[in-house]
Amino acid sequence: QVQLVQSGAEVKKPGASVKVSCKASGYTFTTHFIHWVRQAPGQGLEWMGIINPSGGATNFAQKFRARVTMTSDTSTSTVYMELSSLRSDDTAVYYCAREFGGNSAVDYWGQGTLVTVSS
Amino acid sequence: DIQMTQSPSSLSASVGDRVTITCRASQGISNYLAWFQQKPGKAPKSLIYAASSLQSGVPSKFSGSGSGTDFTLTISSLQPEDFATYYCQQYHSYPLTFGGGTKVEIK
Repeated sequence: QVQLVQSGAEVKKPGASVKVSCKASGYTFTTHFIHWVRQAPGQGLEWMGIINPSGGATNFAQKFRARVTMTSDTSTSTVYMELSSLRSDDTAVYYCAREFGGNSAVDYWGQGTLVTVSS
Repeated sequence: DIQMTQSPSSLSASVGDRVTITCRASQGISNYLAWFQQKPGKAPKSLIYAASSLQSGVPSKFSGSGSGTDFTLTISSLQPEDFATYYCQQYHSYPLTFGGGTKVEIK
C-alpha cells in the first residue's frame, strides 16, 4: 500500500533552517511527483511547491522561491524539503502529498511534520 | 494566482442532512478541481479529483460537480464521521491554490 512517512517534529530558532523528509513506499518512487503543503496553526492549507523525484525538477510558489529547496534521493525513495531563514510565521505543519494522473492532482498524504520556530 | 473562494466558511447540520459546499474560482479552471476532508490533528484526505471523480475508497455519499469557475461538493446524508473541515483546490495552474475551508459542525 502507498505510504508517505515524514520525519519528526522540529523546533528551530529564527534565522535557522529546517529539513523535512518524506519517505515513499508501496509504489514506483520516480513515477509520481511530490507536493509540499503547509498549514499554520488554526489556518488553511498553503501550497509550497512540487518536485519530480526523477531528475529533481521543481516548481515553487513565488512566496517561498527564495527560501525553499526540494530534493530527492532515489536510492532511499525519499524527498526532502528545506526551508531557510525561518521566521515565527513559518510555524506550521508541513505535509508531503503524492501527485497522480500526471496533472498535479493529489491522492496520498504524509502524516505531517510540525515545525515550530521560536526564540 | 487563481483565487478560490469557498462558502459557507462554516455550517451546522444534523446527522442525515444533505450538505452542499460551494467553491468559486477567480478564473476558469476547466475541471481541475479537487476536494479534501480534514479532521482535527490529522492530515487532509483526498475525496474528489477532476471535479467529480471519487478517489478510491471514498463512499458514494460524497459527490462533486461543476466546471469552469463554479463547483460544489455534496454529502448526501451526513454521518458523525463526516464532521470535519473541507477544502477545495485548483490544480489548473501553478501556484496551486486552496479555498479557505468549510467547517461542518454538529447542530
